[in-house]
Amino acid sequence: DQQVKQNSPSLSVQEGRISILNCDYTNSMFDYFLWYKKYPAEGPTFLISISSIKDKNEDGRFTVFLNKSAKHLSLHIVPSQPGDSAVYFCAASPRYNTDKLIFGTGTRLQVFP
Amino acid sequence: NAGVMQNPRHLVRRRGQEARLRCSPVKGHSHVYWYRQLPEEGLKFMVYLQKENIIDESGMPKERFSAEFPKEGPSILRIQQVVRGDSAAYFCASSPMTGDMNTEAFFGQGTRLTVV
Repeated sequence: DQQVKQNSPSLSVQEGRISILNCDYTNSMFDYFLWYKKYPAEGPTFLISISSIKDKNEDGRFTVFLNKSAKHLSLHIVPSQPGDSAVYFCAASPRYNTDKLIFGTGTRLQVFP
Repeated sequence: NAGVMQNPRHLVRRRGQEARLRCSPVKGHSHVYWYRQLPEEGLKFMVYLQKENIIDESGMPKERFSAEFPKEGPSILRIQQVVRGDSAAYFCASSPMTGDMNTEAFFGQGTRLTVV
C-alpha cells in the first residue's frame, strides 16, 4: 500500500524554466512533509519541508505547496538549473510517529540547457 | 551528507552468506535509522535505534535481519543467509534527538548490497 505517491517517474525541463514535482498522499494522519534530493550513488539530502499547519513554504528557488483537502503537495523550482538534475523524493511523517518517514518512489528531474 | 559514514559502500555476497553493514552517525547524534531502497522504488523504513535500544523495528523483516547500536561503535545492520531479493541500497540516517527525523536527520551515502 503506497501511502505516498509520486506518479511521474521522470520530468524534463529546460534551464531557466519552472520545474513542478507532484506528490499525493493517502494517510490523513501525516503531519509533516519533506522533499529530499538524491544524486546517483549518494544518500538523500534534505531540501525543504512543510508542516500541515501551513500551505506554503519557500526557500530560495524552492517552494513547497500543500493542499490538505486534496492530500497533495508540490515542489516548485524556479528557475531550474542543470545542477538540479537529480531524483526528488517526497516523504511524509505521521503525527503519531515523527521518527519514521514514508517515502514516495521518486521523480527523476532532468534540466537541459 | 553531513558526516554519516557508511561502510562498505559496495558489498557483494553469495547467496547464504552473511552481510554486515556499518553506520557511524554524525558525532553527537544518538538516534540511528536504517532505510532500504529496492531498485526503482523509494526508501522504506526498516528500524530506528537509540544507543543500546531498538525503538521501532516495524519495517524489519522478521527473519534473517537484525540491527544493533551499541554503546560504543557503529550501528550494525546484519543480514543472515542473504538471498537475491536482499539486493538493494541500504541507507543509514542519524539525528540528535527523537522527533527530529523531520528536519535534523542526515543520511549516509548508502551501502549497495549485491547478492549473487
